[in-house]
Amino acid sequence: ILNVEQSPQSLHVQEGDSTNFTCSFPSSNFYALHWYRWETAKSPEALFVMTLNGDEKKKGRISATLNTKEGYSYLYIKGSQPEDSATYLCASPTNAGKSTFGDGTTLTVKP
Amino acid sequence: DAGVIQSPRHEVTEMGQEVTLRCKPISGHDYLFWYRQTMMRGLELLIYFNNNVPIDDSGMPEDRFSAKMPNASFSTLKIQPSEPRDSAVYFCASSRGRDEDEKLFFGSGTQLSVL
Repeated sequence: ILNVEQSPQSLHVQEGDSTNFTCSFPSSNFYALHWYRWETAKSPEALFVMTLNGDEKKKGRISATLNTKEGYSYLYIKGSQPEDSATYLCASPTNAGKSTFGDGTTLTVKP
Repeated sequence: DAGVIQSPRHEVTEMGQEVTLRCKPISGHDYLFWYRQTMMRGLELLIYFNNNVPIDDSGMPEDRFSAKMPNASFSTLKIQPSEPRDSAVYFCASSRGRDEDEKLFFGSGTQLSVL
């Protein structure tokens, strides 16, 4: 993996479904992995900052895991709600402070 | 704190005109970033500053784009002359430092339309 890649590109689920998506990043020279939530007509807001292999972070119904050796992170949403509809971005900052973003996963939760 | 403040929110201009976008970072944040969001390229970094000094401008598309940070509380991104392909949402973001756990705080963006 040379760049930050996210999959799937989009996801449509029903209210109450649990879902997850993936962020893949270069595992060499890893510094950190950030997850952002980006609602339509708003600006991205940070969800999680992850730095250690095996890290697990949780915020309400949203959680994330990190595997720095294989270069991936999963974001999980338990019991999706319509207000979870957004684009979820991950970013991998370099040692020089430069963050490269993936293209995002756009989640739509239907009531 | 009011967060990162960008102006204007929307800018409509004609091809060939000069466009200036403005950003006020969060007080105490040493890093300032300019990003551009397009459908084709997603969120791409144009340039970033550390303590008012440009560190990496490799993402600036061409010489028509320039950015300055005259002091810790103000930055501008200028496009001269503007072209229709510059139409995009331009975000400014700031962070406290470059340590690996420093997240970005984004402004609300400037929607630029070049006709």
